[in-house]
Amino acid sequence: KQEVTQIPAALSVPEGENLVLNCSFTDSAIYNLQWFRQDPGKGLTSLLLIQSSQREQTSGRLNASLDKSSGRSTLYIAASQPGDSATYLCAGSNTGNQFYFGTGTSLTVIP
Amino acid sequence: GAVVSQHPSRVICKSGTSVKIECRSLDFQATTMFWYRQFPKQSLMLMATSNEGSKATYEQGVEKDKFLINHASLTLSTLTVTSAHPEDSSFYICSAVDGTNEKLFFGSGTQLSVL
Repeated sequence: KQEVTQIPAALSVPEGENLVLNCSFTDSAIYNLQWFRQDPGKGLTSLLLIQSSQREQTSGRLNASLDKSSGRSTLYIAASQPGDSATYLCAGSNTGNQFYFGTGTSLTVIP
Repeated sequence: GAVVSQHPSRVICKSGTSVKIECRSLDFQATTMFWYRQFPKQSLMLMATSNEGSKATYEQGVEKDKFLINHASLTLSTLTVTSAHPEDSSFYICSAVDGTNEKLFFGSGTQLSVL
């Protein structure tokens, strides 16, 4: 069974800093990888999706990459803002639809 | 963009009662939906995969007779927690895959509290 680890578990940075969140999979045969944001007591918002033929995706200040040889993904957030404070979850699927989630990184951006 | 609607957002019930949670894909058809539960400060754990027109596939350790899943149409899946007990209190989230872009979209979740 796929297991997903996210490092660090928690991160606190001053506003304006660039930061990197890490995600690793025990089974490196990732078909799709998705990064999500979760605000307290709420559902998940999709941030970026890296599909089977892709290695990287960018949206605004966010950039996600996937190294399929190692089963590792990173989410890069540029010029962090207080509104970025949330829990970030990565999820990967081996076959297409069934995603396995990481434990999450709780991010706090200090004004 | 694609939207998944989940209701209710919060429910409080007495022990022994049953609770139904609905998950709808509003602007796309979802042949497959997924049900997750999340305990405080933990990640999402897949409970079951709901397939339209057929029986759900449950993950190991999830009681299918306790968590009844029905996927009667391409836009609606329901999760019924039968004879709920305090240990069933959790955050339940559904998701669906938009087949046109393979993105996974989530409902807003249901916080279940069993007294």
